[in-house]
Amino acid sequence: EVPLLESGGGLVQPGGSLRLSCAASGFTFSNFAMSWVRQAPGKGLEWISTITYNGGTTYSADSVKGRFSISRDNSKTTLYLQMNSLRAEDTALYYCTKGPEMTFGGEFVSSWLDPWGQGTLVTVSS
Amino acid sequence: QSALTQPASVSGSPGQWITISCTGTSNDVGGYNYVSWYQQHPGRAPKLLIYDVTKRPSGVSNRFSGSKSGNTASLTISGLRTDDEADYYCSSYSGSSTFVVFGGGTKLAVL
Repeated sequence: EVPLLESGGGLVQPGGSLRLSCAASGFTFSNFAMSWVRQAPGKGLEWISTITYNGGTTYSADSVKGRFSISRDNSKTTLYLQMNSLRAEDTALYYCTKGPEMTFGGEFVSSWLDPWGQGTLVTVSS
Repeated sequence: QSALTQPASVSGSPGQWITISCTGTSNDVGGYNYVSWYQQHPGRAPKLLIYDVTKRPSGVSNRFSGSKSGNTASLTISGLRTDDEADYYCSSYSGSSTFVVFGGGTKLAVL
């Protein structure tokens, strides 16, 4: 059983939109904060966004703020990333990951991001 | 440009030990004990090696250890093995605004 399985990637034109999904299994999804991290081809890791266990608080990198939106459906144990106004520089492999550990009040408790899904590739090109 | 600075590459021989540094500022590495390290083999997802500066998840070899001094964190790998060849990334909590930052990654060669 794969704990985290991303989907929804593909080829999209600049200015377009995509919604990524991450299906979680094997743990109590509703008890954990979840995050998206991306990796451009041949480049390093970039944190994108984190959402608290109940979706009450979200955090996003400046590079995607106002364009990307993280959300979750605990009844479906699924994490989402809505990506709008896509740019060429958003081309990357997008990973879903469990963590970091946060209190129910949204305070950072522990820095782990584990496990990670296998990623879904987003290509922004005309 | 990554928020945390790592050497682009390091190398060592089988059986030796190496250290990878990760330099940030008082707003991230130096300000919190929330540094993590990840190992990524080509074509694979990252794997958590160290969290909260020094803690090792169950299942991770005790050949991997973490430390921090001031604004610089370090990952030490002892008893180098050929399958340790991979990219290594550090990350740190950076406050409620920036939240999480990563280093640019270090490629380890075991020669």
